[in-house]
Amino acid sequence: DQQVKQNSPSLSVQEGRISILNCDYTNSMFDYFLWYKKYPAEGPTFLISISSIKDKNEDGRFTVFLNKSAKHLSLHIVPSQPGDSAVYFCAASARNSGTYKYIFGTGTRLKVLA
Amino acid sequence: GAGVSQSPSNKVTEKGKDVELRCDPISGHTALYWYRQSLGQGLEFLIYFQGNSAPDKSGLPSDRFSAERTGGSVSTLTIQRTQQEDSAVYLCASSRRTALVTGELFFGEGSRLTVL
Repeated sequence: DQQVKQNSPSLSVQEGRISILNCDYTNSMFDYFLWYKKYPAEGPTFLISISSIKDKNEDGRFTVFLNKSAKHLSLHIVPSQPGDSAVYFCAASARNSGTYKYIFGTGTRLKVLA
Repeated sequence: GAGVSQSPSNKVTEKGKDVELRCDPISGHTALYWYRQSLGQGLEFLIYFQGNSAPDKSGLPSDRFSAERTGGSVSTLTIQRTQQEDSAVYLCASSRRTALVTGELFFGEGSRLTVL
């Protein structure tokens, strides 16, 4: 049972445009969400997080939006740069249940075209 | 080094053999995670250690998998009687307790396991 889903395996965007990566979850106990970026042959690196008490969190070019009623979150990258080309994973945890176990999605490969 | 260190980086083994994968977390990090990424798949949670608490083993796929963390530092993931479906990249991550608030896990580069 895939509790965190990233239905788009890949996405191509022109440099300077907005990249929107989507993530859906099924477990209503999830209350904390994160995005990680992964380059080939490297471990994932943390990008940005959001608590379920918020619906938006922004950090520079990266903004995460959370729609709790739809069990959906998205990562916006504006403007997109070639160095943003990587695989992006969303992850979720149920902290109010007392756990810091993070469930990851299957990833979306972003390619930013120069 | 300052990052999470995993060894070996690559391991090829025959079906039925046992393997051990090692993780050296960042010094002072109290939380340690093991994930695996099979070909074309996402990051699958395996096990999580936090300080002296009992580990969360809920992601271990079978009793052939076990992990320990000695002295609150180095961790070893052991796979007994390996099967071809165990082939994957095994990723270790560590985190400071305070960073658990933000969710920032620091990942190693992984150990690629190939079972022939």
